[in-house]
Amino acid sequence: GAVVSQHPSWVICKSGTSVKIECRSLDFQATTMFWYRQFPKQSLMLMATSNEGSKATYEQGVEKDKFLINHASLTLSTLTVTSAHPEDSSFYICSAEGQGRNTDTQYFGPGTRLTVL
Amino acid sequence: GENVEQHPSTLSVQEGDSAVIKCTYSDSASNYFPWYKQELGKGPQLIIDIRSNVGEKKDQRIAVTLNKTAKHFSLHITETQPEDSAVYFCAASRGSQGNLIFGKGTKLSVKP
Repeated sequence: GAVVSQHPSWVICKSGTSVKIECRSLDFQATTMFWYRQFPKQSLMLMATSNEGSKATYEQGVEKDKFLINHASLTLSTLTVTSAHPEDSSFYICSAEGQGRNTDTQYFGPGTRLTVL
Repeated sequence: GENVEQHPSTLSVQEGDSAVIKCTYSDSASNYFPWYKQELGKGPQLIIDIRSNVGEKKDQRIAVTLNKTAKHFSLHITETQPEDSAVYFCAASRGSQGNLIFGKGTKLSVKP
């Protein structure tokens, strides 16, 4: 139980293009989903928190117009990196917490490796 | 806001030995403390968690202790195996009222 998937697992794109990453909770309904960014050998940095049907809450320093988050259903959230640049290359990880489970427990997806050329 | 310090940053043990990783937190309102294991190129996996109403929790070879007064909690792994090698992160939060604040991680290496 508590399975969270991400797609794609890795993506390479050209500078200036947009990339969409999907995060799905497979066996539970996620009232809240989180998006993190992780640089090599560093800890996880929270980018934003999204609740189903409402606008995401972004952490300080994260550009909401660059990192578009949509949480359209209780099992799906998407992160779109718009006009990607090489400095956006990173490991993006989502997590989910929600109904039917301890509501403060976050279950993480496997991550998406983004490389911007 | 909350600050979580984690030590050591690297830990090397022989197979079969025990490993202990320690974390301290600053927010006395924090009441939920999970530990995650992250293998290279993968997402973090929840291995054990503890809430502030208990002092210790154990799951087979893994245990976590919490000292609310001193604001620190520790992960204990006994009878370590090479497959325990990974980066371990501690975290703290105010439960459903707050986000997880992570420590900087501990790279554990278990040598056969």
